[in-house]
Amino acid sequence: DTEVTQTPKHLVMGMTNKKSLKCEQHMGHRAMYWYKQKAKKPPELMFVYSYEKLSINESVPSRFSPECPNSSLLNLHLHALQPEDSALYLCASSQDRLAAGELFFGEGSRLTVL
Amino acid sequence: AQSVTQLDSHVSVSEGTPVLLRCNYSSSYSPSLFWYVQHPNKGLQLLLKYTSAATLVKGINGFEAEFKKSETSFHLTKPSAHMSDAAEYFCVVTDTGRRALTFGSGTRLQVQP
Repeated sequence: DTEVTQTPKHLVMGMTNKKSLKCEQHMGHRAMYWYKQKAKKPPELMFVYSYEKLSINESVPSRFSPECPNSSLLNLHLHALQPEDSALYLCASSQDRLAAGELFFGEGSRLTVL
Repeated sequence: AQSVTQLDSHVSVSEGTPVLLRCNYSSSYSPSLFWYVQHPNKGLQLLLKYTSAATLVKGINGFEAEFKKSETSFHLTKPSAHMSDAAEYFCVVTDTGRRALTFGSGTRLQVQP
């Protein structure tokens, strides 16, 4: 199994809503990542988890809250988002942080904030 | 500091003709270099990687890239384009010391029938 699965594929939410994005991998990878990608731009790193501990937070606003319940799961909790947060949110994993260039990406969750 | 420059934002080729997507990098350390492909509304997929072994690297789907230290380049090539190659391609560099990943701005490959 070489897949990273993200749900939901599409999400529309209002600025006052609370929602969550979910990511799952069963490759035994110990590093997991959240990226944000705007249209026609490269992905931008948001968070890195290494062995289920947050190791990098790229100065992301607190309205985005990551969680790593176990080595296979990664969540991104969303609250009080702004329309400019509309983007494709990509989850990725790698064997560990030493293999950070060899990422396995999910297909993404496309978020629209109204 | 490290950086990546993809020299063309858009490349258009005819099906069956060669593909060349250009990437230049700068890095303070010995770099590892990668090419990723992203088809519309999909995640990214690793095409190939250079990690200081052979300078000519073969990847999936017939793509290859050559690491040229003297030119600080890592261009992606394919002898014959297929319609299915139409996608966005990202060149990525990581410093093995810092393990920070830097993406290029991307090259959109269009394949004409």
